[in-house]
Amino acid sequence: NAGVTQTPKFRILKIGQSMTLQCTQDMNHNYMYWYRQDPGMGLKLIYYSVGAGITDKGEVPNGYNVSRSTTEDFPLRLELAAPSQTSVYFCASSSVGWPQHFGDGTRLSIL
Amino acid sequence: DQQVKQNSPSLSVQEGRISILNCDYTNSMFDYFLWYKKYPAEGPTFLISISSIKDKNEDGRFTVFLNKSAKHLSLHIVPSQPGDSAVYFCAARLDAGGTSYGKLTFGQGTILTVHP
Repeated sequence: NAGVTQTPKFRILKIGQSMTLQCTQDMNHNYMYWYRQDPGMGLKLIYYSVGAGITDKGEVPNGYNVSRSTTEDFPLRLELAAPSQTSVYFCASSSVGWPQHFGDGTRLSIL
Repeated sequence: DQQVKQNSPSLSVQEGRISILNCDYTNSMFDYFLWYKKYPAEGPTFLISISSIKDKNEDGRFTVFLNKSAKHLSLHIVPSQPGDSAVYFCAARLDAGGTSYGKLTFGQGTILTVHP
């Protein structure tokens, strides 16, 4: 009953460091998404993918990169971390676009 | 430009009473609206949805109402239970002629607290 699994759950980065947030789903969903949620705000779409090898930008893609080499995995890469990227990151997947199934999030702090 | 707004950051109700959570939107091209529920340290969980061609959808204790002319939707929970205490997000999908790919625009969320 894994669903969407995100790792790590928590991470502290220094400014300028890079890291990859991992996301994997076991539901054979074609569509996958990355969102960020800032305090008191709704979720904002960073990147999405409609299948292996196909990705596209969402509302707030700057400072991030993604890849989709398999149906199951959709990692999010942060290059040159900045304090503005402190947030909670959610990965989601769906079979026909919605409703989306979410992971439990990665809480990232950049100091 | 926030296209989906939840203007009430929080709502407090007594157990057994009705909870009404509200959401307003600005884009008339949204074709589906969804409500998600989120507990602390967990991801959002899909609760209920409604198509823009309907004005009501019901699922057990949860009913969503859509008023297209007012660009307003609401979620009614009757009766409210302490386990309903969570953050509720409304979300909307843009009708892009089949190319929306399920992308959602979320409101800011409303914290619901149901007191025993």
